[in-house]
Amino acid sequence: QKEVEQDPGPLSVPEGAIVSLNCTYSNSAFQYFMWYRQYSRKGPELLMYTYSSGNKEDGRFTAQVDKSSKYISLFIRDSQPSDSATYLCAISKGSNYKLTFGKGTLLTVNP
Amino acid sequence: SAVISQKPSRDICQRGTSLTIQCQVDSQVTMMFWYRQQPGQSLTLIATANQGSEATYESGFVIDKFPISRPNLTFSTLTVSNMSPEDSSIYLCSVLRSNEQFFGPGTRLTVL
Repeated sequence: QKEVEQDPGPLSVPEGAIVSLNCTYSNSAFQYFMWYRQYSRKGPELLMYTYSSGNKEDGRFTAQVDKSSKYISLFIRDSQPSDSATYLCAISKGSNYKLTFGKGTLLTVNP
Repeated sequence: SAVISQKPSRDICQRGTSLTIQCQVDSQVTMMFWYRQQPGQSLTLIATANQGSEATYESGFVIDKFPISRPNLTFSTLTVSNMSPEDSSIYLCSVLRSNEQFFGPGTRLTVL
């Protein structure tokens, strides 16, 4: 079993839609959870970082963590064409800052 | 955040040769990391590079194949040695700042 599994996509939505991106992980030792956005031919950009169960909101983005289910989600409200990118979930045990990534979900928001 | 640059941005190399990738960050950081992003695969950690100590390699990666230097707190290099087509990938460095990891733009390597 892989340490982190991410819904593979691709995902295509109309502008203004609510987008849900999801990952599951296998080891309860993971305590830190991140979402990165990667535009084509660019490096990943940190979007959200959380270490506790519950929701964390930043503008149109909400990161949700359920440690009991080992499930993490990223919600994008009022999606825009500029949100079109690959979204990567990443997890860490914290003490050594090593990140384990999902394979990424390619999102396309159509005008 | 952090401003990170990598050189070269891309290269095409012949099998059996070596390529050294440079990573420069705008201010001093303790921890730097090197990752590989192969087509259709997860971004995978190769090694952690701390200044003043030997790099720590992840399972499946060895120093002879991926030697790393970390001469100061703003710079690191990764060498991909004796390349084969399987080494074709994007190589990224990242830095740790305020408990968050920031990535460079990547080096796109194609081995023929």
